[in-house]
Amino acid sequence: DIQMTQSPSSLSTSVGDRVTITCRASQGIANALAWYQQKPGTAPKLLVYAASRLESGVPSRFSGSGSGTVYTLTISSLQPEDFATYYCQQYYSYPYTFGQGTKLEIK
Amino acid sequence: QVQLVQSGAEVKKPGASVKVSCKASGYTFTNYYLHWVRQAPGQGLEWVGIINPTGGTTTYAQKFQGRVTMTRDTSTNTVYMELSSLRPDDTAIYYCVKDRSSISAGQWGLFDLWGQGTLVTVSS
Repeated sequence: DIQMTQSPSSLSTSVGDRVTITCRASQGIANALAWYQQKPGTAPKLLVYAASRLESGVPSRFSGSGSGTVYTLTISSLQPEDFATYYCQQYYSYPYTFGQGTKLEIK
Repeated sequence: QVQLVQSGAEVKKPGASVKVSCKASGYTFTNYYLHWVRQAPGQGLEWVGIINPTGGTTTYAQKFQGRVTMTRDTSTNTVYMELSSLRPDDTAIYYCVKDRSSISAGQWGLFDLWGQGTLVTVSS
């Protein structure tokens, strides 16, 4: 199985901050990498796929990058509605696997 | 509208089985794979497996092999996930999830539509 390791696991941040979350795969995944946002009590929401493609309707302050085994999600200027938990996921091969999550908290 | 509606919460004893349903509407049921993903309380996301609604073929995560069975009913646009030999660590919200890509398009494994989740609690 491909292991996905996210860092940091939590981050205390403020509105307006620039935030970067990193996801490392245990082997190359050829950009088959997605990012999801999950708010308490709700299902995850797809933000980014193919490492850098923004899902329709997702604000442009979100961006993804990376290649090979290292990928990042950047939020250019945090908004109040962005405080949530973020997960990366590889869909390169079965079983599809997720990172352990990064929780953004208000400082 | 496009939606997945799951069955209600379940409480089971260790060793029992549970069967969760997921009814799809608003899109062509047989054009998209459906997945099951679970989330234990306060924990991360775990992929359980995938079913092709057209032919009923399935692939399960190795961890669940032998305990999980996914089926579908094309007359009602419903998929089912049955998990047997339940243990307390199977306590989780189980989500039915639609693949973003059609079966004919490739690049599967992206989850763009989630059901509301079904809480399965395993406790003696």
